[in-house]
Amino acid sequence: NAGVTQTPKFQVLKTGQSMTLQCAQDMNHNSMYWYRQDPGMGLRLIYYSASEGTTDKGEVPNGYNVSRLNKREFSLRLESAAPSQTSVYFCASRRSQEEQYFGPGTRLTVT
Amino acid sequence: AQSVSQHNHHVILSEAASLELGCNYSYGGTVNLFWYVQYPGQHLQLLLKYFSGDPLVKGIKGFEAEFIKSKFSFNLRKPSVQWSDTAEYFCAVYVPSWGKLQFGAGTQVVVTP
Repeated sequence: NAGVTQTPKFQVLKTGQSMTLQCAQDMNHNSMYWYRQDPGMGLRLIYYSASEGTTDKGEVPNGYNVSRLNKREFSLRLESAAPSQTSVYFCASRRSQEEQYFGPGTRLTVT
Repeated sequence: AQSVSQHNHHVILSEAASLELGCNYSYGGTVNLFWYVQYPGQHLQLLLKYFSGDPLVKGIKGFEAEFIKSKFSFNLRKPSVQWSDTAEYFCAVYVPSWGKLQFGAGTQVVVTP
């Protein structure tokens, strides 16, 4: 089991560029999540998907879109990157009533 | 509004000292409680969790946490820390009606040799 995988590990974008962060899990989990982590602010939920075919906004959804492509994959898209989106992005997945499992993270810098 | 508060943002202590990190949450019903640890440059890993039963929960690496329902608290403890415990620690709360995990801001712990 690879658990939760994320690509890429690092990315540098110019303001206004777009990109998609990929996440996949092989644990047959129903729920998947995207967080951003910024110093002193903990993890803030961007979007989540409680099950295949559904997505919901989290705490900080502005500037992002998501796609739950199938049960395994949950992608996060930045349509027009801004410096305020410089952060570390974590994907996570969860089976109901259990803890969340996190991916290794993507460190994104927007210049 | 739902919230999770961690009392300290930074803690510095020497090896063999005892560690206690506070966590309080604002919800009166059934909760699932978690402590996660993030070692430098790594992703979050589960230290321990509480769903029900014995309020004193033992986790990995000698950590334990106590759920005190009347105080809405879930404090993390370790009797004797090691240099390898240097990490950021996050408390998290799951409430079924929220449908998602709410994290505290994290506590950065530095253990000096």
